[in-house]
Amino acid sequence: AQSVAQPEDQVNVAEGNPLTVKCTYSVSGNPYLFWYVQYPNRGLQFLLKYITGDNLVKGSYGFEAEFNKSQTSFHLKKPSALVSDSALYFCAVRDVYNFNKFYFGSGTKLNVKP
Amino acid sequence: DADVTQTPRNRITKTGKRIMLECSQTKGHDRMYWYRQDPGLGLRLIYYSFDVKDINKGEISDGYSVSRQAQAKFSLSLESAIPNQTALYFCATSEIPGQGPNTDTQYFGPGTRLTVL
Repeated sequence: AQSVAQPEDQVNVAEGNPLTVKCTYSVSGNPYLFWYVQYPNRGLQFLLKYITGDNLVKGSYGFEAEFNKSQTSFHLKKPSALVSDSALYFCAVRDVYNFNKFYFGSGTKLNVKP
Repeated sequence: DADVTQTPRNRITKTGKRIMLECSQTKGHDRMYWYRQDPGLGLRLIYYSFDVKDINKGEISDGYSVSRQAQAKFSLSLESAIPNQTALYFCATSEIPGQGPNTDTQYFGPGTRLTVL
């Protein structure tokens, strides 16, 4: 079965500090991985994706993610957190057999405190 | 989000009632999806559609039905609502895989919060 896991329900970080939101995946074959962000009362917004190439992917709002094949991880990172980064973050993977299906993690709530 | 709209935004209904959630998009995408979001479970796929003639079940289609009235419209129906269908429902669209730089990116509507009493 294909899936992603987000082991932390919540991550707390002080403004200005680096942040990491963790994601691990389980797929057979090469994964297509995504990060989305959900602000309160809004739909999910695309942040970044990894398809192939460089293991470090840069995305919107200063976020980046590191693909690690040996650890089957795709952690979301930002060097300096902002209070406005507080939101719900979802990792997702595309089905390797059916490109029209995606599997989402359970979400991680990021709290950035001033 | 304005490219993908959902109506209603909030709905409270009673057990056994039929309810329809509607989704419209102006992005010109062929692919449309319905997901439900539950706390701690993330998003789960209910149905997805390639075009008006092609509709497919997702992970949790039992108790739901859909209609793709046009390329731009995709409706989700609960024929007889039950309390465990209380959730946040999202519609999403995407381009055909392999076409364009934004292939695989999904564009989500603002969601419909449904409460079944």
